Amino acid sequence: GNSVTQMEGPVTLSEEAFLTINCTYTATGYPSLFWYVQYPGEGLQLLLKATKADDKGSNKGFEATYRKETTSFHLEKGSVQVSDSAVYFCALTTTGNQFYFGTGTSLTVIP
Amino acid sequence: DAGVTQSPTHLIKTRGQQVTLRCSPKSGHDTVSWYQQALGQGPQFIFQYYEEEERQRGNFPDRFSGHQFPNYSSELNVNALLLGDSALYLCASSLLTKTGELFFGEGSRLTVL
Repeated sequence: GNSVTQMEGPVTLSEEAFLTINCTYTATGYPSLFWYVQYPGEGLQLLLKATKADDKGSNKGFEATYRKETTSFHLEKGSVQVSDSAVYFCALTTTGNQFYFGTGTSLTVIP
Repeated sequence: DAGVTQSPTHLIKTRGQQVTLRCSPKSGHDTVSWYQQALGQGPQFIFQYYEEEERQRGNFPDRFSGHQFPNYSSELNVNALLLGDSALYLCASSLLTKTGELFFGEGSRLTVL
């Protein structure tokens, strides 16, 4: 079946620190992979995506590379800001209809 | 441009009751999906509607039903509520022809006592 396993949080970092949030997946077929972010008081929103192996998704300084050999899609950012404090969800879909989400990783960035 | 709007934002019901949640999709979107997010968990797919038909359904019992109207808005109905139905219910809209990007509302928080 399809599933996403995400690094457990919460994660607390100082401003300008390097961020990695691990995500691995299991899928039947060829999934597209996503990172969604939920800022306090807001709905989930798409952060970045990759649709095939070796693709790199990027947005707002965040990056993730679709690694088929390790079934991973780790989220990275070189220098986090206080405004990056949010909950991050890794997700996949093989049909474009049903999305499978990880449990979410809460990130707090302190000044 | 209004995004996805959901109502009500919070509600409290007792076991055995029925609830209806409503969703208006982002302007221009034709597809609505519903997700259940229990506390500390990721969203779980309930079902998806397109052209007023249920296109796909996740692993949820028949107590969960839905509807999509000609203006693309949608309702989620849950009958015979159980304590375990307490969760945040998320509506997501998208374009059928542009898979992969869901636009979420802020959700309806249901508490079952």
